[in-house]
Parts: sequence; C-alpha cells; structure tokens
Amino acid sequence: DTGVSQDPRHKITKRGQNVTFRCDPISEHNRLYWYRQTLGQGPEFLTYFQNEAQLEKSRLLSDRFSAERPKGSFSTLEIQRTEQGDSAMYLCASSPRDRVHEQYFGPGTRLTVT
Amino acid sequence: DAKTTQPNSMESNEEEPVHLPCNHSTISGTDYIHWYRQLPSQGPEYVIHGLTSNVNNRMASLAIAEDRKSSTLILHRATLRDAAVYYCILRDVRLTGNQFYFGTGTSLTVIP
Repeated sequence: DTGVSQDPRHKITKRGQNVTFRCDPISEHNRLYWYRQTLGQGPEFLTYFQNEAQLEKSRLLSDRFSAERPKGSFSTLEIQRTEQGDSAMYLCASSPRDRVHEQYFGPGTRLTVT
Repeated sequence: DAKTTQPNSMESNEEEPVHLPCNHSTISGTDYIHWYRQLPSQGPEYVIHGLTSNVNNRMASLAIAEDRKSSTLILHRATLRDAAVYYCILRDVRLTGNQFYFGTGTSLTVIP
C-alpha cells in the first residue's frame, strides 16, 4: 500500500493558463474524491467518482473545472483559464468499497496563480 | 448535512489526555459521526467514526452522548505528534458519494 499520490506537488501558473493535476489512488479503491483547501479553512468537496463514473459535482466546480477518471484508476483535474481565486491546495482522496467511512488523502497539489 | 460546532482551538500538555468536543444538535438518526485530523502540511487523516455506541481504536476513543447531539474525541495520552487540526464531520453514508463537509475544526496545540 503506497498511499495516494498526487502530481505535481506544486504548480505556479499565470492567470489565464490551463493546468492539469493527476491523482493516483490506492490500488483497488473504487471511490475517488477531489477537494480544495484554502488557508485557514477545511477542505471543500469538489467532485466524486465511483469507478470511472463521476457521480457528484459541487456547485464550487465551475465550468472551467473538469475531472476525469478513465478506466476507474487514476484521475485528472483540469482547470481552464485559471484565475487568482483558484489558488489553493487541491487534495485527492480515495476509499475502499468496504470501508466507506475511511478516506485516504494524498499530500495535495498546491496551485499558485499569479 | 447536519452542522457541527467545535472550539477553534485547544491546548493540552504532553502525555495528558485530551477531550475534543463536538456539538451536532441537528444530527439525524442515520448520520455517522466521523473524526479526521490534519497535521501541518499534510492531507487529512482518518481517526475514528461511530453511530451510537462509543468506539475505541488504536488512535483514539469516541464518546457519543446518549441523545447523539454531541460527541467527544478522546486522545488518551497526547504527544507532540498529535498537534493538528481535528475535524468532526457528520455524514449519512447511505447517501451517494459519502463526500465529507469539513468545517474549520479545532486546532490542537500540545505543550511539551
């Protein structure tokens, strides 16, 4: 069990550019979540996958955000036309089918939009 | 989701027990109580969860009030490594997704 991994760990981009983050969940975890966290706040839910199906999206997830989980394995989160307000830590979590109360979080990708 | 209320911060001396309170007066009968913690510069980490009965695991104990309107996370012997933000989260896991809604949590400082 190598844990949830996220890449890159840090990303600095200029306003208006597109960015893509990757999350590799723990093997055989069928549920995958994306959260966003700003300084001093708890994580905020963005979207959820069960296997390859995206089953829920938060109202926080504007049209500029898109997430995929092809083949139910890794997931990507893309932000188009980044804005300064997108600067945050983006966290990925996964949970197994039989222990849905336990979400295992990755270290996060810190995005800075200049 | 029902709302939880936690103190913004607490302090504890090292090697002493810590009782972290959480109020959830609007909890529904099918809401599970979850506790997660977030160490500095890390993603959140699962601590414990329960529905009605008190729960123990290797990390902590969860004491749930009889009316379920409040709960307490108990760290039996605080260490410096327990300094973190602790989140109390309610969720009906029967709902699709089981995504968690974190509040601002309680920031625990452990004093050597």
